[in-house]
Amino acid sequence: QQQVKQSPQSLIVQKGGISIINCAYENTAFDYFPWYQQFPGKGPALLIAIRPDVSEKKEGRFTISFNKSAKQFSLHIMDSQPGDSATYFCAAGLASGSRLTFGEGTQLTVNP
Amino acid sequence: DTAVSQTPKYLVTQMGNDKSIKCEQNLGHDTMYWYKQDSKKFLKIMFSYNNKELIINETVPNRFSPKSPDKAHLNLHINSLELGDSAVYFCASSRGTVPQETQYFGPGTRLLVL
Repeated sequence: QQQVKQSPQSLIVQKGGISIINCAYENTAFDYFPWYQQFPGKGPALLIAIRPDVSEKKEGRFTISFNKSAKQFSLHIMDSQPGDSATYFCAAGLASGSRLTFGEGTQLTVNP
Repeated sequence: DTAVSQTPKYLVTQMGNDKSIKCEQNLGHDTMYWYKQDSKKFLKIMFSYNNKELIINETVPNRFSPKSPDKAHLNLHINSLELGDSAVYFCASSRGTVPQETQYFGPGTRLLVL
Protein backbone atom coordinates (compact mmCIF):
# COMPACT_ATOMS: atom_id res chain seq x y z
CA GLN A 1 0.00 0.00 0.00
CA GLN A 2 1.69 3.15 -1.26
CA GLN A 3 0.75 5.94 1.12
CA VAL A 4 3.00 8.63 -0.36
CA LYS A 5 3.01 9.18 -4.10
CA GLN A 6 5.77 11.27 -5.65
CA SER A 7 6.06 12.81 -9.10
CA PRO A 8 7.72 13.18 -11.48
CA GLN A 9 9.94 10.13 -11.52
CA SER A 10 12.67 12.12 -13.25
CA LEU A 11 13.20 15.79 -13.95
CA ILE A 12 15.67 17.67 -16.12
CA VAL A 13 16.13 21.37 -15.49
CA GLN A 14 18.50 23.95 -16.88
CA LYS A 15 20.91 25.72 -14.55
CA GLY A 16 19.16 28.67 -12.95
CA GLY A 17 15.70 27.20 -13.43
CA ILE A 18 13.15 26.14 -10.83
CA SER A 19 12.81 22.45 -9.96
CA ILE A 20 9.45 21.35 -8.60
CA ILE A 21 8.75 17.92 -7.13
CA ASN A 22 5.30 16.98 -5.87
CA CYS A 23 4.05 14.51 -3.29
CA ALA A 24 0.58 13.41 -2.28
CA TYR A 25 -0.29 11.44 0.82
CA GLU A 26 -3.32 9.43 1.87
CA ASN A 27 -3.17 9.25 5.64
CA THR A 28 -4.69 12.45 7.03
CA ALA A 29 -3.07 11.70 10.37
CA PHE A 30 0.44 12.30 8.97
CA ASP A 31 1.90 15.40 10.60
CA TYR A 32 5.56 15.46 9.67
CA PHE A 33 6.83 15.82 6.11
CA PRO A 34 10.57 15.74 5.41
CA TRP A 35 12.49 15.76 2.17
CA TYR A 36 15.67 13.73 1.83
CA GLN A 37 18.39 14.23 -0.77
CA GLN A 38 20.52 11.36 -2.04
CA PHE A 39 23.64 11.80 -4.16
CA PRO A 40 24.86 8.87 -6.28
CA GLY A 41 26.65 6.29 -4.18
CA LYS A 42 25.62 7.92 -0.89
CA GLY A 43 22.89 7.46 1.66
CA PRO A 44 19.93 9.86 1.83
CA ALA A 45 20.32 12.97 3.99
CA LEU A 46 17.66 15.24 5.45
CA LEU A 47 17.24 18.39 3.37
CA ILE A 48 14.26 20.20 4.83
CA ALA A 49 11.08 19.30 6.71
CA ILE A 50 7.69 20.83 7.50
CA ARG A 51 4.87 20.37 9.99
CA PRO A 52 1.25 20.96 8.84
CA ASP A 53 0.79 24.03 11.04
CA VAL A 54 2.56 26.12 8.37
CA SER A 55 1.93 26.31 4.63
CA GLU A 56 5.48 27.05 3.60
CA LYS A 57 9.03 26.65 4.86
CA LYS A 58 12.07 28.09 3.19
CA GLU A 59 15.74 27.28 3.72
CA GLY A 60 18.03 29.00 1.28
CA ARG A 61 17.05 27.98 -2.25
CA PHE A 62 14.83 25.15 -1.00
CA THR A 63 11.16 25.69 -0.16
CA ILE A 64 8.47 23.25 0.93
CA SER A 65 4.89 24.21 0.10
CA PHE A 66 2.19 22.38 2.00
CA ASN A 67 -1.51 22.10 1.15
CA LYS A 68 -3.32 20.29 3.94
CA SER A 69 -6.75 20.25 2.32
CA ALA A 70 -5.36 18.73 -0.87
CA LYS A 71 -3.06 16.39 1.08
CA GLN A 72 -0.15 17.51 -1.05
CA PHE A 73 3.26 19.01 -0.49
CA SER A 74 6.00 20.01 -2.85
CA LEU A 75 9.67 20.89 -2.96
CA HIS A 76 10.78 23.90 -4.93
CA ILE A 77 14.46 24.40 -5.73
CA MET A 78 15.09 27.94 -6.90
CA ASP A 79 18.08 28.83 -9.10
CA SER A 80 18.82 25.13 -9.59
CA GLN A 81 22.51 24.25 -9.85
CA PRO A 82 24.31 21.22 -11.32
CA GLY A 83 25.34 20.36 -7.76
CA ASP A 84 21.66 19.86 -6.93
CA SER A 85 21.58 16.85 -9.26
CA ALA A 86 20.49 14.01 -6.99
CA THR A 87 17.54 11.83 -6.12
CA TYR A 88 14.97 13.52 -3.89
CA PHE A 89 12.61 11.63 -1.62
CA CYS A 90 9.58 13.02 0.11
CA ALA A 91 8.40 11.24 3.21
CA ALA A 92 5.60 11.40 5.74
CA GLY A 93 5.14 10.25 9.27
CA LEU A 94 3.12 10.52 12.43
CA ALA A 95 4.82 12.69 15.05
CA SER A 96 3.70 10.14 17.62
CA GLY A 97 4.67 7.20 15.46
CA SER A 98 7.86 5.33 14.81
CA ARG A 99 8.45 5.35 11.08
CA LEU A 100 8.68 7.39 7.91
CA THR A 101 6.94 6.35 4.71
CA PHE A 102 8.99 7.39 1.71
CA GLY A 103 7.84 8.38 -1.76
CA GLU A 104 9.25 6.65 -4.82
CA GLY A 105 11.96 9.26 -5.41
CA THR A 106 12.64 11.82 -8.16
CA GLN A 107 15.90 11.83 -10.04
CA LEU A 108 16.79 15.46 -10.70
CA THR A 109 19.35 16.42 -13.32
CA VAL A 110 20.39 20.05 -13.61
CA ASN A 111 22.17 20.75 -16.88
CA PRO A 112 24.92 23.39 -16.91
CA ASP B 1 34.72 10.46 11.78
CA THR B 2 31.95 8.63 9.93
CA ALA B 3 28.67 8.95 11.81
CA VAL B 4 27.02 5.80 10.46
CA SER B 5 29.30 3.22 8.90
CA GLN B 6 28.48 -0.03 7.14
CA THR B 7 30.62 -2.98 6.12
CA PRO B 8 31.09 -4.24 3.56
CA LYS B 9 30.43 -1.56 0.97
CA TYR B 10 30.04 -4.13 -1.78
CA LEU B 11 28.97 -7.75 -1.51
CA VAL B 12 28.82 -10.15 -4.46
CA THR B 13 27.72 -13.67 -3.65
CA GLN B 14 26.04 -16.75 -5.03
CA MET B 15 22.43 -17.71 -4.59
CA GLY B 16 21.88 -19.85 -1.52
CA ASN B 17 24.74 -18.36 0.48
CA ASP B 18 24.39 -16.72 3.90
CA LYS B 19 25.84 -13.25 4.42
CA SER B 20 25.95 -10.54 7.06
CA ILE B 21 26.11 -6.76 6.86
CA LYS B 22 27.35 -4.76 9.82
CA CYS B 23 26.37 -1.26 10.90
CA GLU B 24 27.81 1.00 13.56
CA GLN B 25 26.89 4.52 14.59
CA ASN B 26 28.96 6.85 16.77
CA LEU B 27 26.26 9.49 17.25
CA GLY B 28 25.02 8.16 20.56
CA HIS B 29 21.60 7.51 19.05
CA ASP B 30 19.08 5.14 20.56
CA THR B 31 17.32 4.07 17.36
CA MET B 32 18.69 2.23 14.35
CA TYR B 33 17.09 1.09 11.10
CA TRP B 34 17.63 -1.12 8.10
CA TYR B 35 16.25 0.01 4.73
CA LYS B 36 16.27 -1.74 1.37
CA GLN B 37 16.61 0.34 -1.81
CA ASP B 38 15.74 -1.54 -4.97
CA SER B 39 16.91 -0.91 -8.51
CA LYS B 40 14.18 1.69 -9.00
CA LYS B 41 15.52 3.59 -5.99
CA PHE B 42 12.44 2.81 -3.90
CA LEU B 43 13.38 3.05 -0.20
CA LYS B 44 11.57 0.63 2.09
CA ILE B 45 12.03 0.17 5.80
CA MET B 46 12.77 -3.35 6.95
CA PHE B 47 13.52 -3.17 10.67
CA SER B 48 13.99 -0.69 13.47
CA TYR B 49 15.54 -1.14 16.89
CA ASN B 50 15.34 1.17 19.88
CA ASN B 51 17.82 0.50 22.68
CA LYS B 52 18.42 -3.00 21.31
CA GLU B 53 14.69 -3.73 21.22
CA LEU B 54 12.91 -4.50 17.94
CA ILE B 55 10.15 -1.94 17.31
CA ILE B 56 9.53 -2.22 13.58
CA ASN B 57 9.46 -5.50 11.72
CA GLU B 58 8.03 -5.01 8.26
CA THR B 59 6.82 -7.80 6.01
CA VAL B 60 10.28 -9.17 5.34
CA PRO B 61 11.10 -12.84 4.66
CA ASN B 62 12.33 -14.53 7.81
CA ARG B 63 15.57 -15.25 5.96
CA PHE B 64 16.44 -11.73 7.11
CA SER B 65 17.39 -11.50 10.76
CA PRO B 66 18.58 -8.32 12.43
CA LYS B 67 20.68 -8.37 15.57
CA SER B 68 21.53 -5.48 17.86
CA PRO B 69 24.31 -6.43 20.27
CA ASP B 70 24.30 -2.91 21.72
CA LYS B 71 22.81 0.51 21.01
CA ALA B 72 25.59 1.45 18.60
CA HIS B 73 25.42 -1.62 16.40
CA LEU B 74 22.75 -3.19 14.23
CA ASN B 75 23.70 -6.09 12.01
CA LEU B 76 21.68 -7.80 9.30
CA HIS B 77 22.08 -11.49 8.55
CA ILE B 78 20.56 -12.93 5.40
CA ASN B 79 20.15 -16.68 4.94
CA SER B 80 19.72 -18.55 1.67
CA LEU B 81 20.23 -15.49 -0.53
CA GLU B 82 17.97 -15.13 -3.55
CA LEU B 83 18.34 -13.14 -6.77
CA GLY B 84 15.63 -10.76 -5.60
CA ASP B 85 17.69 -9.81 -2.57
CA SER B 86 20.02 -7.84 -4.84
CA ALA B 87 19.69 -4.23 -3.72
CA VAL B 88 21.39 -1.51 -1.73
CA TYR B 89 20.88 -1.91 2.00
CA PHE B 90 21.07 1.22 4.13
CA CYS B 91 21.52 1.42 7.84
CA ALA B 92 20.32 4.58 9.57
CA SER B 93 20.14 5.93 13.08
CA SER B 94 18.20 8.62 14.92
CA ARG B 95 18.12 10.05 18.41
CA GLY B 96 14.63 8.74 19.08
CA THR B 97 11.89 6.71 17.49
CA VAL B 98 9.56 9.49 16.31
CA PRO B 99 9.70 10.53 12.64
CA GLN B 100 10.76 14.12 13.35
CA GLU B 101 14.05 12.88 14.75
CA THR B 102 16.40 13.18 11.80
CA GLN B 103 17.54 9.87 10.42
CA TYR B 104 21.23 9.70 9.53
CA PHE B 105 21.96 7.17 6.82
CA GLY B 106 25.09 5.13 6.24
CA PRO B 107 26.76 4.90 2.82
CA GLY B 108 24.94 1.69 1.91
CA THR B 109 25.94 -1.89 1.13
CA ARG B 110 25.51 -2.90 -2.48
CA LEU B 111 24.50 -6.56 -2.54
CA LEU B 112 24.53 -8.49 -5.78
CA VAL B 113 23.31 -12.08 -5.75
CA LEU B 114 24.36 -14.15 -8.77
